[in-house]
Amino acid sequence: AQSVTQPDIHITVSEGASLELRCNYSYGATPYLFWYVQSPGQGLQLLLKYFSGDTLVQGIKGFEAEFKRSQSSFNLRKPSVHWSDAAEYFCAVGAPLGSARQLTFGSGTQLTVLP
Amino acid sequence: DAGVTQSPTHLIKTRGQQVTLRCSPKSGHDTVSWYQQALGQGPQFIFQYYEEEERQRGNFPDRFSGHQFPNYSSELNVNALLLGDSALYLCASSLQGAFPPLHFGNGTRLTVT
Repeated sequence: AQSVTQPDIHITVSEGASLELRCNYSYGATPYLFWYVQSPGQGLQLLLKYFSGDTLVQGIKGFEAEFKRSQSSFNLRKPSVHWSDAAEYFCAVGAPLGSARQLTFGSGTQLTVLP
Repeated sequence: DAGVTQSPTHLIKTRGQQVTLRCSPKSGHDTVSWYQQALGQGPQFIFQYYEEEERQRGNFPDRFSGHQFPNYSSELNVNALLLGDSALYLCASSLQGAFPPLHFGNGTRLTVT
């Protein structure tokens, strides 16, 4: 079965600084990979996804992520963080093979943005 | 265009009771998935409904059951509530297919005392 690890429970950055959130997955083949964001009291919103092709994917709100097969990673990046980016971020993996099509989420990284 | 709506927003129940949570999918969507999000954790997949049938199920006991109606709305039922069932329950709608984008509701916060 697939699994996802987000090593950082909480990250604090200053507004305008760059951001990288780490995500490592476990799956025997190339998985489908996703990043979702959850603001307080809200549901999850899809930021970006990777299925195949170019390993650098662009998402909404200026976010991007890079799939690195050799490191089993799919880290999320943003060059300049805005105060409105403060939220919880979840990496998720889906297994394209087999009958199980549900997403497996990591435990999340809480992002705090300092003014 | 209304997104995914869930009701109620908050609910307090006692151990052993039963609860029903409701979800209306985004207009045009025919598939509903339910997730449980415990405090400080990521969402965990409970099950998915399409064409009024349960199509997939995660690792949850039979106390968790659901239903999908002809208008695509859905209910999640939990029987014999345990303290550990306290969580945010999220409904996500989509079109059927291999990992289509999920649109999440704001969730129902269930507290079991």
